Amino acid sequence: EVQLAESGGGPVKPGGSLRLTCAASGFTFSTNIMYWIRQAPGKGLEWVSAISSSSTYLYYADSVKGRFTISRDNAKNFLYLQMNSLRAEDTAVYYCTRDCSPSGDVPGGICDWGQGTLVTVSS
Amino acid sequence: DIQMTQSPSTLSASVGDRVTITCRASQSISIWLAWYQQKPGKAPKFLIYKASILQSGVPSRFSGSGSGTHFTLTINSLQPDDFATYYCQQYNSYSLTFGGGTKVEIK
Repeated sequence: EVQLAESGGGPVKPGGSLRLTCAASGFTFSTNIMYWIRQAPGKGLEWVSAISSSSTYLYYADSVKGRFTISRDNAKNFLYLQMNSLRAEDTAVYYCTRDCSPSGDVPGGICDWGQGTLVTVSS
Repeated sequence: DIQMTQSPSTLSASVGDRVTITCRASQSISIWLAWYQQKPGKAPKFLIYKASILQSGVPSRFSGSGSGTHFTLTINSLQPDDFATYYCQQYNSYSLTFGGGTKVEIK
């Protein structure tokens, strides 16, 4: 069974930093594109960042470019999101997600989602 | 960036109804479209990929169609478990985008 378990969320002041971690299990982590998706309270889903299976390709939404960094450790089955210069508008539940495609480099939809971790940016 | 526009934003329906949700892309995405169902307080659930292929375990009353820029999700004979919010999402590239969501509520 695929499991994605996020941690690292919590309250933070504007301008602060957080590092989200996703522990993955139940599949061959090194073969899938992984994404962070977020959802602000009462709002829709927003793609945040993507990383290819071997970390060759990294992509960011314009709203977080230059402030967030995605990375992964395929040896330990972890996905990370380093978030710096946080703003109130970054307040959201952050989901760790797994792409369905077996290729590892071509997107195929999001098969699996973690339960999410809440990040609250407020003074 | 590719924009995804869903309509309607809210839909009131009764058990047994047939409902259709529309999703339009700002440029052609071929068939690289997925649909998700989300219930309050829960993570989204993957329903459909490549515009029309049901994910394993998804009831056959769900169906998807379309290509290019116009897509639809249809639920035949709406069941109590189907009242939720539905999102379309394009994956033509790594820079994914979601529609704004359609809340299917009880009439």
